[in-house]
Amino acid sequence: EDQVTQSPEALRLQEGESSSLNCSYTVSGLRGLFWYRQDPGKGPEFLFTLYSAGEEKEKERLKATLTKKESFLHITAPKPEDSATYLCAVQGGYDNNDMRFGAGTRLTVKP
Amino acid sequence: DAGITQSPRHKVTETGTPVTLRCHQTENHRYMYWYRQDPGHGLRLIHYSYGVKDTDKGEVSDGYSVSRSKTEDFLLTLESATSSQTSVYFCAIRVGGGTEAFFGQGTRLTVV
Repeated sequence: EDQVTQSPEALRLQEGESSSLNCSYTVSGLRGLFWYRQDPGKGPEFLFTLYSAGEEKEKERLKATLTKKESFLHITAPKPEDSATYLCAVQGGYDNNDMRFGAGTRLTVKP
Repeated sequence: DAGITQSPRHKVTETGTPVTLRCHQTENHRYMYWYRQDPGHGLRLIHYSYGVKDTDKGEVSDGYSVSRSKTEDFLLTLESATSSQTSVYFCAIRVGGGTEAFFGQGTRLTVV
């Protein structure tokens, strides 16, 4: 069974203090690893898809990386508007149409 | 918002009553999904559809049924609502397997 574990559960940073969020996964035949951002009271917003180990993607202050066992979301010089819950999900298996989500990391960036 | 509309956005209902949530998309995507989100559990798949009248169960399907009679609409029905079904429900669409999903704004359901 596919499993996703995100750590830490919550992270508080000062504005400008860079850090990383972790997503550890077990999956049979990775088809994709997905990162989402979710603001309170809203649906998840797509950030990145990673397909194979060694792949990296960037968007503004965010950079996602992937190994065979985990993915990191690096946040460089965060701003208060980066405060949100960040969700990781994996999809594995050729016939599998499900994405398995982690419980998320709640990020708070203080000015 | 990827052209997804969920209705209603909020609902309070009594235990034992049937409830139907609606998801409408404007982009004719083949795959549509219903998830529930609960504290500590993340998003869990209830049911999904891969075409008109083609649906399948997800991880937490007990007590739920779905229907898709048109490409643009995917309905989720709680046949007899229970307090354990109090949750936030999200609809999502995907172009195909292995691609990213786009989510609606969610429906907050409270069963009293």
